[in-house]
Amino acid sequence: GENVEQHPSTLSVQEGDSAVIKCTYSDSASNYFPWYKQELGKRPQLIIDIRSNVGEKKDQRIAVTLNKTAKHFSLHITETQPEDSAVYFCAPYNTGGFKTIFGAGTRLFVKA
Amino acid sequence: NAGVTQTPKFQVLKTGQSMTLQCAQDMNHEYMSWYRQDPGMGLRLIHYSVGAGITDQGEVPNGYNVSRSTTEDFPLRLLSAAPSQTSVYFCASRRSNTGELFFGEGSRLTVL
Repeated sequence: GENVEQHPSTLSVQEGDSAVIKCTYSDSASNYFPWYKQELGKRPQLIIDIRSNVGEKKDQRIAVTLNKTAKHFSLHITETQPEDSAVYFCAPYNTGGFKTIFGAGTRLFVKA
Repeated sequence: NAGVTQTPKFQVLKTGQSMTLQCAQDMNHEYMSWYRQDPGMGLRLIHYSVGAGITDQGEVPNGYNVSRSTTEDFPLRLLSAAPSQTSVYFCASRRSNTGELFFGEGSRLTVL
């Protein structure tokens, strides 16, 4: 089955610094690469995604980069703010398949 | 659209009791799934369904049953609750040919 790993498991940064979270997957058929954000006590919500025909996608302060050859993709957050503090999950997926397996999550702390 | 609706939001059970967590979506999504999230841990897939009458097991299916009689509803049944099933349960859905998962608000279950 799909093996999904996230690193680091915890990340602490100063406000204004950048944060990078990496997701490694095993299924070479994966073609959809999303990142979800879960604030404390809330549901996970999609914040950015990328498909396999694109190498990078940006949305204001967040970006996702994809390396299909190495089977990993990364979430980049620039100019971090306290409201970025949350748990972030990756969930690489083959849109021709069915189940979605999540990474174990990365807890990001942004210190003011 | 209400999106994905889960009930109840909170439930306390005694060991051996049975209960059903309800999940309904009004987006006409073919795919529905149940995840459990334990403290400090990621989202683990319990069961999923790709359409009415079709269900399959995820990563941690033991102790749980599901059925899918309509497109809208995907209940999760605990036949004999155990303390190890204390967790937060999330229902999620998506269109089959896309990737984004839409989550319910979660159901917090405590088994004493």
